[in-house]
Amino acid sequence: QVQLVESGGGLVNPGGSLRLSCAASGFTFNDYYMTWIRQAPGKGLEYVAYISGGGDYTFYADSVKGRFTISRDNAENSLYLQMNSLRAEDTALYYCVRVKDLYYFDNWGQGTLVTVSS
Amino acid sequence: EIVMTQSPATLSVSPGERVTLSCRASQSISSNLAWYQQKPGQAPRLLIYDASSRAIGIPARFSGSWSGTEFTLTISSLQSEDFAVYYCQQYNTWPPACTFGQGTKLEIK
Repeated sequence: QVQLVESGGGLVNPGGSLRLSCAASGFTFNDYYMTWIRQAPGKGLEYVAYISGGGDYTFYADSVKGRFTISRDNAENSLYLQMNSLRAEDTALYYCVRVKDLYYFDNWGQGTLVTVSS
Repeated sequence: EIVMTQSPATLSVSPGERVTLSCRASQSISSNLAWYQQKPGQAPRLLIYDASSRAIGIPARFSGSWSGTEFTLTISSLQSEDFAVYYCQQYNTWPPACTFGQGTKLEIK
């Protein structure tokens, strides 16, 4: 079955950096677009970044553009999110999510928590 | 940016009742809408896509419909495991933009 396991979250100072990873299994990874979606504590869902199956197309929410970079390694079935210049408002649970039919989100990991605080 | 507005924010219902959750788009999104269920401490789960198609493994008591920019998720007979937060998501402008509603919390009456 499809499994998505995130790692790399933690506590970081404002202005710092963090790299999230997602290990995928149970499906042909390079056949699917992937995305990161986050959820601040007690809040709703927010799309962060999106990458095509081959990694040649990437898109970002305006709130993270220029600070975050999404990438993937199809040989390793892994998805990444490099987060730089972190702000308090980036504090959230970050989900690794598979995109179905290019449009909606059919499989979610359990999330990794990022806390930005001094 | 397309704004998705869900109502009500919280709904108190009893097991066995029929419940209808609403989601309104600020402009036309055709049928490009999905519904997700999120239980406490869990990741969201896809319920409905393309406004009315049930995802794999979703019970038949869940159904989706729409008219214009008004979308509805109906649960025909609430089970105890259905008490959760429900989010709608439009993908008419995806990529690169998709937007979620703020969620409706179903709680036990």
